[in-house]
Amino acid sequence: NAGVTQTPKFQVLKTGQSMTLQCAQDMNHEYMSWYRQDPGMGLRLIHYSVGAGITDQGEVPNGYNVSRSTTEDFPLRLLSAAPSQTSVYFCASSYSLAGETDTQYFGPGTRLTVL
Amino acid sequence: AQKVTQAQTEISVVEKEDVTLDCVYETRDTTYYLFWYKQPPSGELVFLIRRNSFDEQNEISGRYSWNFQKSTSSFNFTITASQVVDSAVYFCALSEMGDYKLSFGAGTTVTVRA
Repeated sequence: NAGVTQTPKFQVLKTGQSMTLQCAQDMNHEYMSWYRQDPGMGLRLIHYSVGAGITDQGEVPNGYNVSRSTTEDFPLRLLSAAPSQTSVYFCASSYSLAGETDTQYFGPGTRLTVL
Repeated sequence: AQKVTQAQTEISVVEKEDVTLDCVYETRDTTYYLFWYKQPPSGELVFLIRRNSFDEQNEISGRYSWNFQKSTSSFNFTITASQVVDSAVYFCALSEMGDYKLSFGAGTTVTVRA
């Protein structure tokens, strides 16, 4: 099992550019999510998905788009990058247990800089 | 709304000292889950423990131990006989039943000096 994988590891963008951060998991997890990590703020939820075809917004969704066409993949799109989106992005996945919150496992992260 | 507070921003200790990280949470749910994650300097997030609100037993795993007290809404983490490899940022997180979303504290940076 590769677990949760993310590409790229590092990315530099110019303001206004768009890009997609890739996330994949091979554990057959139903639940997947994207967080961003900023200094002194912990991790904040951007978007999440409880299964293929189902997505929803988290705490800080503005400027980001997601889709979930397969169980394995959950890409995060930046539509028009802004310096405020400079951050470290983590993808996570877990089983979707009825009535319980299972442990979420995180990918290695993508460090994004927007100039 | 759920909330997690880690009041200690940074803790610095000398090797072999014990260190306790505080975590205080707020939730209106009676069923919830608490987590601790470790983020070493390499940057990945490593899962340490998951605890549900009905299990108030303290837990020990090697040099790590956790003290869950519902009465004070706290889930504190102690590293006994700290080592340099324990240097990391530690995050406490909360999830309400069936919600899946994790609310993280701001993290505590632990530096263990040789």
